[in-house]
Amino acid sequence: ETGVTQSPTHLIKTRGQQVTLRCSSQSGHNTVSWYQQALGQGPQFIFQYYREEENGRGNFPPRFSGLQFPNYSSELNVNALELDDSALYLCASSQGSRNSGANVLTFGAGSRLTVL
Amino acid sequence: LAKTTQPISMDSYEGQEVNITCSHNNIATNDYITWYQQFPSQGPRFIIQGYKTKVTNEVASLFIPADRKSSTLSLPRVSLSDTAVYYCLVPNSGGYQKVTFGTGTKLQVIP
Repeated sequence: ETGVTQSPTHLIKTRGQQVTLRCSSQSGHNTVSWYQQALGQGPQFIFQYYREEENGRGNFPPRFSGLQFPNYSSELNVNALELDDSALYLCASSQGSRNSGANVLTFGAGSRLTVL
Repeated sequence: LAKTTQPISMDSYEGQEVNITCSHNNIATNDYITWYQQFPSQGPRFIIQGYKTKVTNEVASLFIPADRKSSTLSLPRVSLSDTAVYYCLVPNSGGYQKVTFGTGTKLQVIP
């Protein structure tokens, strides 16, 4: 069984640019969550997709958007990049019902974004 | 919002047992408690999950009292490779999954 894979692993952008990060979920998983982790901090929830629909969103502005595809892979798009967007972006997949309290998250290694 | 509170850091010598306690006063009835381990520049990795009483697997034990407002992760005989950040997670019930990480506990294992 393949795990969660993310691409690219590292990238550098400048302020104002746009970025797309990609995630392939673990085989059999139907839910994908995205997290932002700044240096020295815990991961912060951005949003989650369950069966191609957004299933919850954290305190992030609308310039953070996402998609989930029929094969349950996902994209995170960030527009109008700001310096504070520099972080490790983590994707996690899980298999469970919409409101399950027992979902176990399988994380990818992350995409390290640097905004100059 | 089910918020968790853990100690920011802990030190332990190799070979000792380490217990990390997490408080989650607002845990909902159908919420499980899950612990993750994270090494620098890697994604968190699942360690153990439980609902009540005690759960044990090959790497850790999880103790949950009857009121479920706290939990304790127990790592037996830690080694240098156990140096990592440990997160206690409780889903935010309220219609959707919104798993929120706290600051975690940074465990430093000393030779």
